[in-house]
This record gives sequence, C-alpha cells and structure tokens, in this order.
Amino acid sequence: DAGVTQSPTHLIKTRGQQVTLRCSPKSGHDTVSWYQQALGQGPQFIFQYYEEEERQRGNFPDRFSGHQFPNYSSELNVNALLLGDSALYLCASSFSETKAFFGQGTRLTVV
Amino acid sequence: RKEVEQDPGPFNVPEGATVAFNCTYSNSASQSFFWYRQDCRKEPKLLMSVYSSGNEDGRFTAQLNRASQYISLLIRDSKLSDSATYLCVVNKPSGYALNFGKGTSLLVTP
Repeated sequence: DAGVTQSPTHLIKTRGQQVTLRCSPKSGHDTVSWYQQALGQGPQFIFQYYEEEERQRGNFPDRFSGHQFPNYSSELNVNALLLGDSALYLCASSFSETKAFFGQGTRLTVV
Repeated sequence: RKEVEQDPGPFNVPEGATVAFNCTYSNSASQSFFWYRQDCRKEPKLLMSVYSSGNEDGRFTAQLNRASQYISLLIRDSKLSDSATYLCVVNKPSGYALNFGKGTSLLVTP
C-alpha cells in the first residue's frame, strides 16, 4: 500500500516564476492538506481540500492556490515566486478527521 | 502568543537516559493532540496521539493537562535512533488543520 507520494522531490525556480507541486494521498484517504516548512520552523498550514473544494485556509496570500481531483490527488500552485517561498512543502492526507500522514515533501528553492 | 510553543533545545543526552519534552498551546478549544517525529530533511511521522488519561507506547509516554494547556512527552532508555526533532501538534479548533510547534531537537550520544 503506497503512502502519500509527492512530486517532484526537489525543484529550483527563479523569482517571479510559477510552480506546481503534486500529491497523491494514501489509499482510502479523501482529504489532502498542504503545509509549508521553512528551515528551523514547524510546518505551517496552507490549505485543506475535501470533496474537490478548499475547506479551510491558513494565513497565506492568494498567490498560493490549489486543486483536488476526483481521484483525491491534489496540486499546489504558487505564482510570482518570492525568495521567501523557499521551503519544504508537505502534503498530508487523512480520511475524514483521522490522523494525518505526510508525504516526503517537495524541497523548493527560489533563486 | 504562538499557538503552540516548545523549547527548541537541543537536548543532548547519553544513551539510556530519560528525557522529557514539554509544550504549551494557547487555544483551550483544541481537541486533538499529537507528537510527531521528524528526522533531518524528512517528513514528519506520527509518533503518538495524546490523551488526558495519559498514554504509553513502549518507551514513550505522553500526557495532556487540559487545565494548564500543557502537553508532555517522556522518553525512557533513550536510543541513538531516537535522535530527531519532536514536534508538538494541536488541531485548529475552527476546522481540521494542524498547528505545529517549532520542534524540539534531541541528540542521543553513545
């Protein structure tokens, strides 16, 4: 049984560019959440998707957007990248409100 | 005030030692509490849930004090493999997301 998978694992982008990160949830999970983890910090909640809709959003600007597909997989899009967007982006999946399991993350570097 | 606060450490302990981590949270309406473990440059992994009655999983014991809004994790007989960052996690009462502390770094030495 595959766990949560994310792609790509590493990415380097230039300021001002746009990026799309992808996440496939653990089998049987219907809820996907995205977190940003800067170096030396705990993960910060970006948003959560359930039934293809954004159910809750953290304190992130509109440059951060997402999508959930009918197969429950999800994408995180970030527009107009800033140096400060460099971080580990983590996807977590869960079934309803049960425990969350994380993917290995995508390490984004903005130069 | 941050929603979840932890002492970042680092805690350097010898193998076999007992070490305790503490965490406080600000929102009394929070209902779910967890400890996650994160190895360097890896994803967080659920270590254990935390309940008011206290719960134990092998060498690990977690405790929740709702009155003080305080969560603890005790590790007995530390192993080299316990070296990691331990994240205190509390749910956001207004929805389904998780609030993470900054993490407490543990280094177990031979």
